[in-house]
Amino acid sequence: GDQVEQSPSALSLHEGTDSALRCNFTTTMRSVQWFRQNSRGSLISLFYLASGTKENGRLKSAFDSKERRYSTLHIRDAQLEDSGTYFCAAEASNTDKVVFGTGTRLQVSP
Amino acid sequence: EAAVTQSPRNKVTVTGGNVTLSCRQTNSHNYMYWYRQDTGHGLRLIHYSYGAGNLQIGDVPDGYKATRTTQEDFFLLLELASPSQTSLYFCASSDHWGGYEQYFGPGTRLTVL
Repeated sequence: GDQVEQSPSALSLHEGTDSALRCNFTTTMRSVQWFRQNSRGSLISLFYLASGTKENGRLKSAFDSKERRYSTLHIRDAQLEDSGTYFCAAEASNTDKVVFGTGTRLQVSP
Repeated sequence: EAAVTQSPRNKVTVTGGNVTLSCRQTNSHNYMYWYRQDTGHGLRLIHYSYGAGNLQIGDVPDGYKATRTTQEDFFLLLELASPSQTSLYFCASSDHWGGYEQYFGPGTRLTVL
């Protein structure tokens, strides 16, 4: 069955606001990777985490190190260029298989 | 310069047609993957390989063959294309299977009429 649930499925933000995306996992995951897909379809890797948190500019991601059952992506001071679809992909600890979420469509408006 | 490239970027074929999608990586990675992306499904793994001459079956392999000719090159073959294979196809590479960071190509949009 589906192992990765992303929320929300769609999100609208005004420029300058903050928000968070989340991926919940039905099983313990070994690692998680976050991507943004732009309007041309290109996948851009944002973060790869095996534990803890990583930060890059206005983006910050966290992977629950204790239970390894969820990950978050925080967007601070949203900008127009943040628009796109965000995916998480996680490796299951028991199968070594990478499973993708169905994505969060983010639209940032002025 | 891009480390994972795909060709063609767009392809239109007819039902029953023969299509080959190409992927090349210059990361010196052992693992390469083919995914398809469809609305509502995210990315789904078709085939993957851990080295030249090796092929492993992914989650949605039906209707697809693949071949890894060198460490750099991984091909996806649709010998009798069907409209259900209309999709956006991504190739990726990683240093190890699964959990290590994956690097993606730009994608190939395939339309089967």
